[in-house]
Amino acid sequence: DAGVIQSPRHEVTEMGQEVTLRCKPISGHNSLFWYRQTMMRGLELLIYFNNNVPIDDSGMPEDRFSAKMPNASFSTLKIQPSEPRDSAVYFCASSPPTSNQPQHFGDGTRLSIL
Amino acid sequence: GIQVEQSPPDLILQEGANSTLRCNFSDSVNNLQWFHQNPWGQLINLFYIPSGTKQNGRLSATTVATERYSLLYISSSQTTDSGVYFCAVGRGGTASKLTFGTGTRLQVTL
Repeated sequence: DAGVIQSPRHEVTEMGQEVTLRCKPISGHNSLFWYRQTMMRGLELLIYFNNNVPIDDSGMPEDRFSAKMPNASFSTLKIQPSEPRDSAVYFCASSPPTSNQPQHFGDGTRLSIL
Repeated sequence: GIQVEQSPPDLILQEGANSTLRCNFSDSVNNLQWFHQNPWGQLINLFYIPSGTKQNGRLSATTVATERYSLLYISSSQTTDSGVYFCAVGRGGTASKLTFGTGTRLQVTL
């Protein structure tokens, strides 16, 4: 079975550019999570969706960040304009509707803002 | 929010040795997962263990929810076990955010 698929795997761009990260959750999973990993703050939740609806976006750092889930099989995390401090690894995870199941993580997108 | 503390922060083992990693959390939880982040940065699910004991090969885990801690045991360690081990907890079943600890960095040497 395919796991959580993220793209791109690596992204290097200049400050001020728009960045779009993409995630395809595992088929049948109805919850989707975006996490960010940095040296300073570790792994932290940015936002999560349940049945395509954003439930908790309290971790989104500022208005430059936005996330959407237009359907059950696709989500985007957008940063506009990007800044060097946004450099991090961004992980997407999904979980099924049944209880007692773990969250499954994608391989992450390593983002570098120059 | 929930606080998650992991110990030790760093661990160096010789191949074949056993180890115990600990995760303490500050509030009741109903989701607890152990992950291994390998040198390529991938987060690998090891256990979903909000309570009780599970075993998978050389790895096992125990969570004592009433005392707010979990333990990860690694037996007969191998160099491929190197990496960072994270404990993450959550409330509200699987569809809730995970709060991660700061991890235990394990290095297994020959």
